[in-house]
Amino acid sequence: DTGVSQNPRHKITKRGQNVTFRCDPISEHNRLYWYRQTLGQGPEFLTYFQNEAQLEKSRLLSDRFSAERPKGSFSTLEIQRTEQGDSAMYLCASSPLGGGREQYFGPGTRLTVT
Amino acid sequence: GQSLEQPSEVTAVEGAIVQINCTYQTSGFYGLSWYQQHDGGAPTFLSYNALDGLEETGRFSSFLSRSDSYGYLLLQELQMKDSASYFCAVRGPGGYSTLTFGKGTMLLVSP
Repeated sequence: DTGVSQNPRHKITKRGQNVTFRCDPISEHNRLYWYRQTLGQGPEFLTYFQNEAQLEKSRLLSDRFSAERPKGSFSTLEIQRTEQGDSAMYLCASSPLGGGREQYFGPGTRLTVT
Repeated sequence: GQSLEQPSEVTAVEGAIVQINCTYQTSGFYGLSWYQQHDGGAPTFLSYNALDGLEETGRFSSFLSRSDSYGYLLLQELQMKDSASYFCAVRGPGGYSTLTFGKGTMLLVSP
């Protein structure tokens, strides 16, 4: 399967713990995006990379969130000192250059903070 | 900034035609995309309009009027598997390559 993959698919953590999610994009795609989605809402943009460069971060993104794409391939999203409000589905998407028109989404990581 | 409005829910019967509307406000318009998301699944790209008019892709069509900041998704010959959430999205706020999504329209298709 050459689609976008995300791991883990589910994560339950206690408030205050750190969590890290991984995204493996479609191999030939230069751009990688992170979104957060809560129940009844559309995906909310968090950040995106072109190759290894992080080009944009949402102003809504707390400084507890950090993302990396060290070699321009897979990406990680870390949330430090998790809060209950961080509970959501975290979606990763990728696209080729100029791909704001069509993005390919992974299945997401569902985070539950207890 | 970007904002999009779409109905929260639409119901229809199998074989019917349904239209899902989307109005948007954006500081810079590059195009309107539509995505489908089944419950528990990933959003999947359906259609894109950069220019005014109708784009047809099989049973799905999408329309755009830039002067009215309005678009719609038309689904024909509805099937039970079309029951899903449908999102319109505009490019930005992070420039040309990021997307801002509406809250989604849940389509319920009944027999």
